[in-house]
Parts: sequence; structure tokens; C-alpha cells
Amino acid sequence: AQSVAQPEDQVNVAEGNPLTVKCTYSVSGNPYLFWYVQYPNRGLQFLLKYITGDNLVKGSYGFEAEFNKSQTSFHLKKPSALVSDSALYFCAVRDMGSYIPTFGRGTSLIVHP
Amino acid sequence: NAGVTQTPKFQVLKTGQSMTLQCAQDMNHNSMYWYRQDPGMGLRLIYYSASEGTTDKGEVPNGYNVSRLNKREFSLRLESAAPSQTSVYFCASSEAPLLTTQGDFQPQHFGDGTRLSIL
Repeated sequence: AQSVAQPEDQVNVAEGNPLTVKCTYSVSGNPYLFWYVQYPNRGLQFLLKYITGDNLVKGSYGFEAEFNKSQTSFHLKKPSALVSDSALYFCAVRDMGSYIPTFGRGTSLIVHP
Repeated sequence: NAGVTQTPKFQVLKTGQSMTLQCAQDMNHNSMYWYRQDPGMGLRLIYYSASEGTTDKGEVPNGYNVSRLNKREFSLRLESAAPSQTSVYFCASSEAPLLTTQGDFQPQHFGDGTRLSIL
């Protein structure tokens, strides 16, 4: 079985400050992890993925995520937040051999000017 | 670059009416999915089609049916709409995952959704 948790419904950060959006997961085998972003009235857009290799994954729009196997986490980070980063962020996990990813409930990121 | 196209974008139905939501992708993807998104509940999988000619139930299939018309198109049908089906519906597609150790899973590509209200 696979599951993913996003413990924060909302994250508030000031523009220019670093941001972190948290994600923890549970899988029976090796995890395949994804982050997506959703802007208002749009579908989800892929940001980055972890399949194997380096624990720090770089993605679109300056985002990166750190895979931590011992803590079963895959937190999304950005060194300097922009107001335009304000959106809904989803973490997803997929076990090897599964067609179906499991999505978290989403975290609303609000970046204040 | 069309990607995944959903029609209609908005729809209002009365309880008991039927409707088909259309989805088409132009990326030659094998797998297609239907999700619903409700506040505070994230995305929930309704049905999916791993490849042309196959469909399977997801987490919340009751009240819905699907048809994988061809490799490009995957439709979702509400036979008798209920207020509980008021939601935003998203179609997605992806490359078929490889059931091998190589398994470079590709991300899903999503349409912009159909906002459905049932009165």
C-alpha cells in the first residue's frame, strides 16, 4: 500500500524568504515521488520527480526537493519565494509496478509581498 | 501544444440528468485517468485506463462509467447525476509505467478541468 501526507493545509511566507512545503510518504518498496503545482482554474502541472540517484532534485521555476529515506520525506523547497509562487502544491507517491500514484491533499502556499 | 483537452469547461446539471465528460490527449500516451477534486480532499481517482482497451476502477467509481474510445480519448459518464457529484473533474494522461527495474516513471499531464455543479 502507498500513502502520502502533507501535514500543512497552508504555508505563509514573505517574498524573498525561503519556503518549504512538507511531504511524507509510505510505500512497501522503492518510492517514486512527484511534486505538482496547481494555479487557480488550471490543472496540475509537473514540477519535479525523484526516481533514483541524488537526494536533491531540481525542478521547474527554481524549485527543488530533498529526498530523505530515513525520514520518509520529500519536502519541496525554494531559496527565495516569489508572489507568483502562490498556488496549491501536491505531493504524489507511486510504488514501483503501480500504475496509480497517490496524491496528498495539497498545501496552499501564500507568498506575501 | 494542446496536451490534454477537456470539454466542457463548465456545466450545470439537474439531479437525475446524465452527462458525458470528454477528454483527449495528443501526446500518444498509453495511460489515461479521471480524477475528482473536492476542497480539503485532494485528488481522488475515479477510473483509469492503463492502455487502450482496458479500464479499471479507482478509489471512488460509484455513479460513474468510462469509455476508452481509442488511444487518444477517454470519456467519463454520469448516468444519473447527484448533488454529491458536484466537483471539479480532471483528466490526465501518462506514459505507461514500465514494470521493470528500469522504471523511469513519467509524470502525469493534466487537463484544465471540468467544473460540474449538480442542483
